[in-house]
Amino acid sequence: EPEVTQTPSHQVTQMGQEVILRCVPISNHLYFYWYRQILGQKVEFLVSFYNNEISEKSEIFDDQFSVERPDGSNFTLKIRSTKLEDSAMYFCASFPGQGPAGNTIYFGEGSWLTVV
Amino acid sequence: RKEVEQDPGPFNVPEGATVAFNCTYSNSASQSFFWYRQDCRKEPKLLMSVYSSGNEDGRFTAQLNRASQYISLLIRDSKLSDSATYLCVVIPGSGNTGKLIFGQGTTLQVKP
Repeated sequence: EPEVTQTPSHQVTQMGQEVILRCVPISNHLYFYWYRQILGQKVEFLVSFYNNEISEKSEIFDDQFSVERPDGSNFTLKIRSTKLEDSAMYFCASFPGQGPAGNTIYFGEGSWLTVV
Repeated sequence: RKEVEQDPGPFNVPEGATVAFNCTYSNSASQSFFWYRQDCRKEPKLLMSVYSSGNEDGRFTAQLNRASQYISLLIRDSKLSDSATYLCVVIPGSGNTGKLIFGQGTTLQVKP
């Protein structure tokens, strides 16, 4: 079965540091996403990416966050200056957008970020 | 009102029991509905889509009531391996861009 891979699986960083979380979505998928889940809370949508640009973002996705797909393969989430409240599990997801599996979104295993 | 609302539980049931989870959603224009399963510190995994006519997959039955904006999941003959958090998930509006809105989840603990 195709899979979305994420790195790192766990990262500890100091407050104020920049963090980059990486994702390799499923090839030939058209839509890519980042979601986050603070411990004990619900999964929250951060941003969607389509056709090499942000198609939608939530209120959480402020100027401290950015996404890019620099080489057509990796899809990255950058947090410019981490805060304690950024500690969460970050899930990457991809979605074909068409075809027989057009209704199925695939999640990566997540990157657990701890800000200290 | 929350976009997707669930009773967080926990639901503690013995093996073999039947358990039902409910969920309500606020956006009446929503067209796609799902139940996901999430194990502790793991990614959400699709359990089943929910169709207007109701649908069944083995021991799992999902129902949708559009008039009441209500979704349910029934698990029959619970197994220990069913212990997890069950997430009610909605795609808001009529688009199909894959953006998902999650409920906070209902925790199920099946005991021997």
